[in-house]
Amino acid sequence: DAKTTQPPSMDCAEGRAANLPCNHSTISGNEYVYWYRQIHSQGPQYIIHGLKNNETNEMASLIITEDRKSSTLILPHATLRDTAVYYCIVRVNAGKSTFGDGTTLTVKP
Amino acid sequence: DGGITQSPKYLFRKEGQNVTLSCEQNLNHDAMYWYRQDPGQGLRLIYYSQIVNDFQKGDIAEGYSVSREKKESFPLTVTSAQKNPTAFYLCASTQEGRVIKGELFFGEGSRLTVL
Repeated sequence: DAKTTQPPSMDCAEGRAANLPCNHSTISGNEYVYWYRQIHSQGPQYIIHGLKNNETNEMASLIITEDRKSSTLILPHATLRDTAVYYCIVRVNAGKSTFGDGTTLTVKP
Repeated sequence: DGGITQSPKYLFRKEGQNVTLSCEQNLNHDAMYWYRQDPGQGLRLIYYSQIVNDFQKGDIAEGYSVSREKKESFPLTVTSAQKNPTAFYLCASTQEGRVIKGELFFGEGSRLTVL
């Protein structure tokens, strides 16, 4: 399964958009891109996923490049409660699911 | 309510003892996973199972064992062979096959401390 690379940390001002990048240059054609976030000492929560088209839901937007080698998670109006560790993973449905170290997003007032 | 239940939430053990962490799900999911998380680090995959009576090693399986005798249960045993067992352990599940989301659902975790 493909590995992902994320920056270890990012800051964002409250009310502004948070753009979290992820590189997955070895992704294969049947692997989806998933994003999760983890608030301290809790289990990660699903945010969004996609295969090749851009996706949007009530929480976030996911932009996947045309070559599928990278993606960006967008939180359109970050709040203090969005401070968390964000993980980008790639996987085939119900297959081996490997997480990296994620990006620690700190939203500042 | 449907979900994943991990127990115990906190566990202390002495060196040299085996300990078993419970993970139960009532989501009718086919696949289940165990992850380990150390302070300030990401999740590392220990074992996963895609179907009853079958499981595969993840990236850090040494010193751990699992069983999958029932679809809803995937217990993890931390054996005395695991050199640094103190960690936060997370169980997850997901549905196999063509599904709308296919996301992982996580339990609340079990924190193991070796004294």
